[in-house]
Amino acid sequence: KQEVTQIPAALSVPEGENLVLNCSFTDSAIYNLQWFRQDPGKGLTSLLLIQSSQREQTSGRLNASLDKSSGRSTLYIAASQPGDSATYLCAVRPGSSKLTFGTGTRLQVTL
Amino acid sequence: DTAVSQTPKYLVTQMGNDKSIKCEQNLGHDTMYWYKQDSKKFLKIMFSYNNKELIINETVPNRFSPKSPDKAHLNLHINSLELGDSAVYFCASSQSGVLETQYFGPGTRLLVL
Repeated sequence: KQEVTQIPAALSVPEGENLVLNCSFTDSAIYNLQWFRQDPGKGLTSLLLIQSSQREQTSGRLNASLDKSSGRSTLYIAASQPGDSATYLCAVRPGSSKLTFGTGTRLQVTL
Repeated sequence: DTAVSQTPKYLVTQMGNDKSIKCEQNLGHDTMYWYKQDSKKFLKIMFSYNNKELIINETVPNRFSPKSPDKAHLNLHINSLELGDSAVYFCASSQSGVLETQYFGPGTRLLVL
């Protein structure tokens, strides 16, 4: 059974810092991995999707990497801003239509 | 021009009642989903429909009955609501195929008293 874990559970950094969020999954037989952002009381916004054949994806200040064989992904946020404060979720797609979500990392960027 | 919309946004009801949540997507996708986010913020798939056909049904009590009248709509009906049903329910959609991104609605916050 696929299990997805995110470390740390919560993170607080001062504005301007670069940071890394970690995601690990137990079954490497995945088709893709997706990073989402969830703001308090809001839905999920897709940030990046990495196919199993890819190693990384970049969008603006965000860079996501995927090491399928070791069951790990990282989300790198450069030059963090207070507007980046949210919960970040990673999710893997094991082959069926469903996504299996991680436990989330709650990020706070302080002034 | 909301991509995935849900109604209502908030729902407060008594135990034992029956309620429905509606979801609509205007992205032209052929696959829709219902997810449940519990009090610990853990998101878990409940159902998935492809072209109005049920393709995923996780171990969800049969008090929960999804209905897809067409590809753009997936409604969730819940009978005999229980306290443990209190959660945020998210609808999502995607084009079929494992390479496709899923797009989520804003969520429906259900509180059962």
